[in-house]
Amino acid sequence: EDKVVQSPLSLVVHEGDTVTLNCSYEVTNFRSLLWYKQEKKAPTFLFMLTSSGIEKKSGRLSSILDKKELFSILNITATQTGDSAVYLCAVARMEYGNKLVFGAGTILRVKS
Amino acid sequence: NAGVTQTPKFQVLKTGQSMTLQCAQDMNHEYMSWYRQDPGMGLRLIHYSVGAGITDQGEVPNGYNVSRSTTEDFPLRLLSAAPSQTSVYFCASSYSGLAGGGEQFFGPGTRLTVL
Repeated sequence: EDKVVQSPLSLVVHEGDTVTLNCSYEVTNFRSLLWYKQEKKAPTFLFMLTSSGIEKKSGRLSSILDKKELFSILNITATQTGDSAVYLCAVARMEYGNKLVFGAGTILRVKS
Repeated sequence: NAGVTQTPKFQVLKTGQSMTLQCAQDMNHEYMSWYRQDPGMGLRLIHYSVGAGITDQGEVPNGYNVSRSTTEDFPLRLLSAAPSQTSVYFCASSYSGLAGGGEQFFGPGTRLTVL
């Protein structure tokens, strides 16, 4: 059975801290791993990773995939209160259609 | 370009009532799906469709029906609402082909309470 596990489930940090969120997966016919940010509404897309070892960056956020060890990390540097959200990891399979398998999410709270 | 739209935003039902959650997209996506989100459980797939006339079950399909008569619309029907169906429902769409990485676009969600 396909599985996506995120850790930690929640964490609280202070503004300026750096955080690392983890996502491990067991999925047949892997296509890609996606990160979403959710702030009390619909998830918004952050990154899509398909190749091992290639870092994706967007401002203070970055992510990397390890297809050998079956995990990904999402880093946020110099955190701000606006980074407070649920971060969702999902994996897509190489099949027609586009079913995503989601992890339970990591709740991040950044205190000022 | 409105993206993915959902109606209603909020709904309260009594046990046993039926209703339809509406979802529409204007991006000509083949793939559409419905998720429910409960605290601590991420997003769970209810039903999905890879094109007009083609639907299939996801992880948690019981108590829900779908149909896909057009590319744009993918309504979700609750046949006889139960308190266990209290949740936030998201509709999402994307391309279906094997090219590309699989990004899905989400609607704003419907918060459903069943009393």
